[in-house]
Amino acid sequence: QVQLVESGGGVVQPGQSLRLSCAASGFTFRSFGMHWVRQAPDKGLEWVAVIWYDGSNIFYAESVEGRFTISRDNSKNTLYLYMTHLRAEDTATYYCARAGGDGDYWASDWGQGTLVTVSS
Amino acid sequence: DIVMTQSPDSLAVSLGERATINCKSSQSVLFTSTNEHHLAWYQHKVGRPPRLLIYGASTRGSGVPDRFSGSGSGTEFTLTISSLQAEDVAVYYCQQYHNTRHTFGPGTKLEI
Repeated sequence: QVQLVESGGGVVQPGQSLRLSCAASGFTFRSFGMHWVRQAPDKGLEWVAVIWYDGSNIFYAESVEGRFTISRDNSKNTLYLYMTHLRAEDTATYYCARAGGDGDYWASDWGQGTLVTVSS
Repeated sequence: DIVMTQSPDSLAVSLGERATINCKSSQSVLFTSTNEHHLAWYQHKVGRPPRLLIYGASTRGSGVPDRFSGSGSGTEFTLTISSLQAEDVAVYYCQQYHNTRHTFGPGTKLEI
């Protein structure tokens, strides 16, 4: 079955950087687009970024564009989110999710999430 | 960006009764090449990851019970739970994936 396991969350100070990883298994990783979605405490879901199956197309939410970078290593079945210039409002649980196809489709399967806290 | 709105903000329904949640997009999410609406619904329970319920406005995801159904077109969409079960308590979100910047609605909290 599809398994997505996020890691790399933790507590960082404002302005610092952090890299999240998402290890995928149970499906042909290189054939699917992948998303990052986050949920701030007591807030709703916020879509963050998507990367196509081959990395050829990448799109970001306006709130993170220029600060966050989504990438993937299809040889390692792993998705990444490199976050820089972190702000308090980036505090959230970050979920990786498999897209419903090779591009930026709906999010069909989700990981358990990893918590990022930005605080001084 | 396409702005998604939902109504109501919260909803209380008796067990076995019908629950209806509405979603509106600020512009059409119809992909004319396939005549498919790029609209999904998710269920999010406390302490769990979100779960896909519906994509393409009306197609149930894998393993989703048939009491969940999606409908609508253009800019107005509906998620219906035909006979509410206790395990359906959750927050429900609509999402458009028509624009390159996908956006979620604010969520509807469903209670018994």
